[in-house]
Amino acid sequence: GESVGLHLPTLSVQEGDNSIINCAYSNSASDYFIWYKQESGKGPQFIIDIRSNMDKRQGQRVTVLLNKTVKHLSLQIAATQPGDSAVYFCAENQSRNAGNMLTFGGGTRLMVKP
Amino acid sequence: KAGVTQTPRYLIKTRGQQVTLSCSPISGHRSVSWYQQTPGQGLQFLFEYFSETQRNKGNFPGRFSGRQFSNSRSEMNVSTLELGDSALYLCASKWTPYNEQFFGPGTRLTVL
Repeated sequence: GESVGLHLPTLSVQEGDNSIINCAYSNSASDYFIWYKQESGKGPQFIIDIRSNMDKRQGQRVTVLLNKTVKHLSLQIAATQPGDSAVYFCAENQSRNAGNMLTFGGGTRLMVKP
Repeated sequence: KAGVTQTPRYLIKTRGQQVTLSCSPISGHRSVSWYQQTPGQGLQFLFEYFSETQRNKGNFPGRFSGRQFSNSRSEMNVSTLELGDSALYLCASKWTPYNEQFFGPGTRLTVL
């Protein structure tokens, strides 16, 4: 079946640097994409989303870029902080049966070095 | 406003047994989804419920079932447990199918 995948399982960055986490997706019918952050012992936490008719969206210290031509999604975190250390998942949404379902990528662990 | 709560947080069962997990969504949220998280398969969609109706179901065997009550609380049941069912089961709620989804802390199920 179609799925969302990630290129890098672990990313290590220095505190204060910018981080970029990448994700490839395969279902062109997906109507929006979401990034989640998961800390140890907790459920995924919403970071930012982007609709398929957009190519960029910015939040507080985060930016999501969507390239539909190559089916690629990225999450940029500016001035990475130790509290950003977590596993990050991309997910693609498919609207179906008046509801929706998410397909998640495998996750990237972000480690921030002080 | 209280977040999504899941009970129990931890559970140990043996093969062949059945288990029921509970999820209480955020007050006012009518949509509840369930996910299974394992190191090998990652996060996989199980079901989505809205107003007591199952809207979508993932690719899991019939041993996995769920339901939603009139107060939006949801339960999922796994019968005839297998070792491979050991996982973190996550519940997420949202107001409608098109809003941001909030996850609970999960129920860690271990099957021995």
